[in-house]
Amino acid sequence: KNEVEQSPQNLTAQEGEFITINCSYSVGISALHWLQQHPGGGIVSLFMLSSGKKKHGRLIATINIQEKHSSLHITASHPRDSAVYICAVLNYGGSQGNLIFGKGTKLSVKP
Amino acid sequence: KAGVTQTPRYLIKTRGQQVTLSCSPISGHRSVSWYQQTPGQGLQFLFEYFSETQRNKGNFPGRFSGRQFSNSRSEMNVSTLELGDSALYLCASSFFTVNTEAFFGQGTRLTVV
Repeated sequence: KNEVEQSPQNLTAQEGEFITINCSYSVGISALHWLQQHPGGGIVSLFMLSSGKKKHGRLIATINIQEKHSSLHITASHPRDSAVYICAVLNYGGSQGNLIFGKGTKLSVKP
Repeated sequence: KAGVTQTPRYLIKTRGQQVTLSCSPISGHRSVSWYQQTPGQGLQFLFEYFSETQRNKGNFPGRFSGRQFSNSRSEMNVSTLELGDSALYLCASSFFTVNTEAFFGQGTRLTVV
């Protein structure tokens, strides 16, 4: 079982829809990152959070440390939001040392 | 300010050769981490350098190595390349540790033939 699980793996939405991507993890963490990767390969860090909720424009990220779960929400989705969204956790105690990544959620927003 | 710069962007090497990839972090950032991304395994942590010292290492064979220079620029080296080393190699820089915001480069796509 992967230490970081994301759902869904693939998501297709119509422009304007509200989107939720989920991330569950099984290890103790000090922080969780949400990353966005466009087809060219470059990765952009969207959020880093260790508790509560953060908002940036149409993006909202929440984390529940007790339940080991985080969600990324996109309001009023737009075709330019089409990308792979990756959840990554920072686990100091694990053998992987640094970031542990989920497999990603591929989002496609249709006009 | 300038972002994280990785060179080269694309590379084709032959099995058995070695390769060196470079990462220049954002000015003032002292932490550089390296990651490998493949379609099958996704993103995996290779190692992290901070102030010229390797601070963390992932589960990769000894063929993968790295170093960091006094100006925080980092290189990673893969010796005796195998076909399975074909991947996108990404580096990320942070001011202190990846527990602060990480900024990723565009990556180096390595193809081993």
